[in-house]
Amino acid sequence: AQKITQTQPGMFVQEKEAVTLDCTYDTSDPSYGLFWYKQPSSGEMIFLIYQGSYDQQNATEGRYSLNFQKARKSANLVISASQLGDSAMYFCAMKPMDTGRRALTFGSGTRLQVQP
Amino acid sequence: NAGVMQNPRHLVRRRGQEARLRCSPMKGHSHVYWYRQLPEEGLKFMVYLQKENIIDESGMPKERFSAEFPKEGPSILRIQQVVRGDSAAYFCASSPSPRGSGYEQYFGPGTRLTVT
Repeated sequence: AQKITQTQPGMFVQEKEAVTLDCTYDTSDPSYGLFWYKQPSSGEMIFLIYQGSYDQQNATEGRYSLNFQKARKSANLVISASQLGDSAMYFCAMKPMDTGRRALTFGSGTRLQVQP
Repeated sequence: NAGVMQNPRHLVRRRGQEARLRCSPMKGHSHVYWYRQLPEEGLKFMVYLQKENIIDESGMPKERFSAEFPKEGPSILRIQQVVRGDSAAYFCASSPSPRGSGYEQYFGPGTRLTVT
């Protein structure tokens, strides 16, 4: 079974500063993928970034980067130069690779509020 | 290229009525996933379908819930005799290939079900 833990129910950050959203995971699968999604108040789920368990380098997508520490089983999301539009719920998720199981397992989310 | 479409966006049902939620995957996608999001929680996997087949229904409640993805037409999530605890947002996602990684699960905007 897979489990995602997000221990920060809410976070505040000043505009233009960087913020780290924590995510730890547990799995017995040798190969897996880690994902971050953004859910603004309008409710849709927006894919942000993906990290494969065998990827040697941490993933980056624009202002988003994933701090992947495999030994610690953590996959923290770093948002640089926060913008007001970054205010949203952020979900960490994972799924096994190379198996028939396709379902994403999500954490409980972190609500980020960017202050001007 | 239209994204994943879900309708209705909002649905209100009285206790005991039936709810039908529809999902049209992205063009060319033959794999559909349904997730449920209770208030202030992350998404929980319900069922994974390919055309005319249920592949994984491990997250589906045993009673009152059913899903289908016919050869023609949208995928349907059906909830019979709804109860207040069914009030949630129901998300559909689609992917293009059997071995798609998680980011290839493109999410629809969700259907907000309210049971009164």
